[in-house]
This record gives sequence, structure tokens and C-alpha cells, in this order.
Amino acid sequence: GAVVSQHPSWVICKSGTSVKIECRSLDFQATTMFWYRQFPKQSLMLMATSNEGSKATYEQGVEKDKFLINHASLTLSTLTVTSAHPEDSSFYICSARSEGGFVYEQYFGPGTRLTVT
Amino acid sequence: GENVEQHPSTLSVQEGDSAVIKCTYSDSASNYFPWYKQELGKRPQLIIDIRSNVGEKKDQRIAVTLNKTAKHFSLHITETQPEDSAVYFCAASIWTGTASKLTFGTGTRLQVTL
Repeated sequence: GAVVSQHPSWVICKSGTSVKIECRSLDFQATTMFWYRQFPKQSLMLMATSNEGSKATYEQGVEKDKFLINHASLTLSTLTVTSAHPEDSSFYICSARSEGGFVYEQYFGPGTRLTVT
Repeated sequence: GENVEQHPSTLSVQEGDSAVIKCTYSDSASNYFPWYKQELGKRPQLIIDIRSNVGEKKDQRIAVTLNKTAKHFSLHITETQPEDSAVYFCAASIWTGTASKLTFGTGTRLQVTL
């Protein structure tokens, strides 16, 4: 159980275009999902916390108008990178926490590799 | 906010030897400390975790220790095998019952040689 999927697994886009990444919890409901960014050989940096039915909470330094997050249902959160530039090229990973009781664990998606040309 | 430091950044051990990775955290309110293993291009996989009310936890060849006073925790892998080669991340979190934001360490690249 506790499977998180992401789509697409990789995407190449041209500079100036927008890209949408989907994160789904397949067998559980997730009130909260998290979006991370990981550059090569670096750690995971939290970008924002996505809350179902409300606005996302962004970490300091993350542009909310550039990285649009929508958490429309208990099983789906989307990250849209708007007006992408080469420096946005990275590995984007989402995670979701299964609700209920004192559940600490976050389940990670397989990641989406974005390349902006 | 929370800051997590991790050492060493790279670690090479021979097969069968033990490996130890250490992390320190800054926020004394942190109460949940997971460890993740990440292979190249893959998702992080939880390998073991510990809560602040426990000092040590073991799962077969993997163990984690926590020293709340010193604010540090360590991952111990015994009898290492080539398939243990990966990047390992520690993390710290403050669990409030409604939100649990993870702060990750910088990662340790473990290489197990034959």
C-alpha cells in the first residue's frame, strides 16, 4: 500500500513554456502533499506544502507565481512550472502523507525530470 | 527554521564492514527522524525511522540511534553489501498532528566495494 505516482516521469520543454506535473496517491487519501526539488548530487529541498482545498504554503525563496500548486482532491496535487527557463531544469519529487492517527511517514513519488531547453 | 547537517558526504567501505552516517539538527522540538536511501534517478525510500521518545531502533542490519540532548542521530549499517551502495539522507521533522515538514540533510554517498 501507500503508493504515490507522478506524471510525467520526464519532460523536455522549450524556454518560456509551462509544464504541469501531476502527483497522485493511488491507494490512500492525502490531505497534505509536499513538492521537492533536487538538483544533481544535491539534497531534496522543500518547495511547498500542498493542502487539499486551500492555498499551498511556499518555502522562503520559492516564487509562488512561477510554481503554481493546485491540490484539487484528496488524491491529486499538481505543480505547474510557468514560463520555464533552463535554470528550472531539475528533478521534481512529490510526497504524500497518509492520514489517520499519528502517522509520520511520507511516501515519495518516483520524480519528474524536467529539462528546459 | 530547522537545519540538518550530515557527515560524511562520501563514504567508501569494503563489503562486510560497517558504515556509520551522522546527522545533527538544530531545532530541539524535532521529534521524528527518518532515514532515506536513494538510488540514482529514483525516489527516496524510507529505510528506518525513529521518534524522539526512543533512543535506538534496529531492523536487521540497520540501526539508528538518537541523542536528544546533543541533538544528533546516526545510521549504522552492519555487514555492508554492494546493494547498499546509494545516497543516504537523514531528515528531521516536527510532528504537530497536522503537519510534518521534513528537513533533509545534505546526503551521504555510500560506496561498498568488493
